[in-house]
Order: sequence, then structure tokens, then C-alpha cells
Amino acid sequence: DIQMTQSPSSLSASVGDRVTITCRASQGISSYLAWYQQKPGKVPNLLIYAASTLQSGVPSRFSGSGSGTDFTLTISRLQPEDVATYYCQKYNSAPLTFGGGTKVEIK
Amino acid sequence: EVQLVESGGGLVQPGRSLRLSCAASGFIFADYGMHWVRQAPGKGLEWVSGISWNSGSIGYADSVKGRFTISRDNAKNSLYLQMNSLRAEDMALYYCAKSQGGYYDSSGMDVWGKGTTVTVSS
Repeated sequence: DIQMTQSPSSLSASVGDRVTITCRASQGISSYLAWYQQKPGKVPNLLIYAASTLQSGVPSRFSGSGSGTDFTLTISRLQPEDVATYYCQKYNSAPLTFGGGTKVEIK
Repeated sequence: EVQLVESGGGLVQPGRSLRLSCAASGFIFADYGMHWVRQAPGKGLEWVSGISWNSGSIGYADSVKGRFTISRDNAKNSLYLQMNSLRAEDMALYYCAKSQGGYYDSSGMDVWGKGTTVTVSS
């Protein structure tokens, strides 16, 4: 099975900072990658699919890039409401593995 | 309003069975793949199982293969997860989620329910 490894596992940044989260697949998955945001005590929310396509209604400060095995989620200017745990997920074939998550906090 | 409502969670002894249900509304259920995703307390997300729009394609996580069975009834706009031989490590909040497309393994999950809690304990 393909493993999904996220880094870092947590980060602390200031409001307005550029934040980058990395997700690495143990084998190539083309662009079959999604990113989710889960705020504390809330249900996960789809941010990006097909590695770089922004889901409707998601603020444009979020962006995704990559293909094959290396992917990134970028928040261009971190906002207080972005405090959450972010997960990548591959969906090219079962099992649809999630990464371990990256917890983003405000410094 | 697009909505998914899970039910059927509860306290169950190790080795016993439980059946989860997910009622869908606000969209054409029969057109979309569906998933079950779980989250143990304080832990990350774990994909459990997915099913295509017509039940023709089904997948499971290795951790539940052979014990859990996903199914759907498009006439009732409902998704199910039959969980047998439950273990302590199956204890989690179980979410029902909608795929963006007709197949569970071709797109992200764009609608999530609030989840139903499964507790496995003697």
C-alpha cells in the first residue's frame, strides 16, 4: 500500500505569514490528491482536489501544487481562522490513505 | 441543503457487531460514490471504506477488510457499514462522506456528516 507522509506534524506561525505543508507519497499517484482542513471540534472540509484545484468557496489564499510523489499546500497569508489540522489524502486507488496531519497554530 | 446524517453508533462489547447508517438528502444520492471515514479520539483521519454509485466498485482499508461490509440502498438514499468482530482499536467517531464523483476512488470528499461514535468496551 502507498503511504502518505506529511511534514511538519505541527507548526506555529504569525498572522500574515506564508505557510507551506508538504505531503509525500511512497509511490507515484499522479494528481490524485486532496487536502482537507479540520478545525478543532469540527468536521473535515475539502480545500483542494486534483492536487491543485481549489474547492468552491475556499479562500484564494489556499493553494496546492505537485504531482507524482511530492505535493504542497500553501497558505499565502495565514489568518486566525486558519488554525486547524490539515490532512492530505490520496484517492487514486484503495486504500484511500490520509497523511498523519499537520497542526497549524498562531504564534 | 445537502446533508448526511449518521446513526447506529453506541457501546458494544469486543467481538460483537454493529451496523451504522447514513441518511443522505439534498442531492441525487444514486449519482455519487460514498465513504466511511473514522477518527479515534485525539487521532487523525482514517479512511475505512468506499463504494461507487452503483455498488459495482468497493474498497476497504486493510485494518477492516474481512470484518466490515459497506453497502448502499439508492432507493432509500442510505449508506450502511456492517461492522463485525469489533475490536478496541475500532473505537472512533465514524463519518459518512460523499465523493465528488460517481466512483469512490476518483475524487475528493466534498460533504461530510457530523459522525456517530462507536465505543468498543467490555
